[in-house]
Amino acid sequence: AQRVTQPEKLLSVFKGAPVELKCNYSYSGSPELFWYVQYSRQRLQLLLRHISRESIKGFTADLNKGETSFHLKKPFAQEEDSAMYYCALSGRTGGYNKLIFGAGTRLAVHP
Amino acid sequence: NAGVMQNPRHLVRRRGQEARLRCSPMKGHSHVYWYRQLPEEGLKFMVYLQKENIIDESGMPKERFSAEFPKEGPSILRIQQVVRGDSAAYFCASSLPQDEQYFGPGTRLTVT
Repeated sequence: AQRVTQPEKLLSVFKGAPVELKCNYSYSGSPELFWYVQYSRQRLQLLLRHISRESIKGFTADLNKGETSFHLKKPFAQEEDSAMYYCALSGRTGGYNKLIFGAGTRLAVHP
Repeated sequence: NAGVMQNPRHLVRRRGQEARLRCSPMKGHSHVYWYRQLPEEGLKFMVYLQKENIIDESGMPKERFSAEFPKEGPSILRIQQVVRGDSAAYFCASSLPQDEQYFGPGTRLTVT
């Protein structure tokens, strides 16, 4: 079954602390993995995707096929990082992105 | 570019009524996705449409739900005879072919 699991509903850290938001997936094949972010009162937006291998706002995520994980990391959290984070995968079935989302993790960064 | 527009933002319906949710994609986008988010859950795929065609409706409930994306005008998600369990946030996203999806602000449906 295709599934994305985000084990933590809430992650609370202090400013400057490292952050790791966990994401595990189940998919038979070669999925494409994404992280989406939703800041307060804003719409859901793409943060990064594994195929681009880039760092956005200091966040990185590495696809670990052996552990079927795609954890999101940032070495020093900022207060403006407080938001809801969703991990998602797509199998690109038929040439389009049918996204499967995890339940989300709320990141709260305290001063 | 105003981005993906959804209206209404909030919709209250009584059990048994119909709900119509509208989604206007970004300019130039001909691909629309609808997702539903129940409380405490992630977004769940419902349907993928291109202009005048339903491509994948594997996430749509078998009864009462329908979607369309006409040649002119917004995409419509229609829920007939709503029940309390239909209360959720409904999001639409649009994209170019095989490209990033851009999400709308969502419609929060409450069934009383």
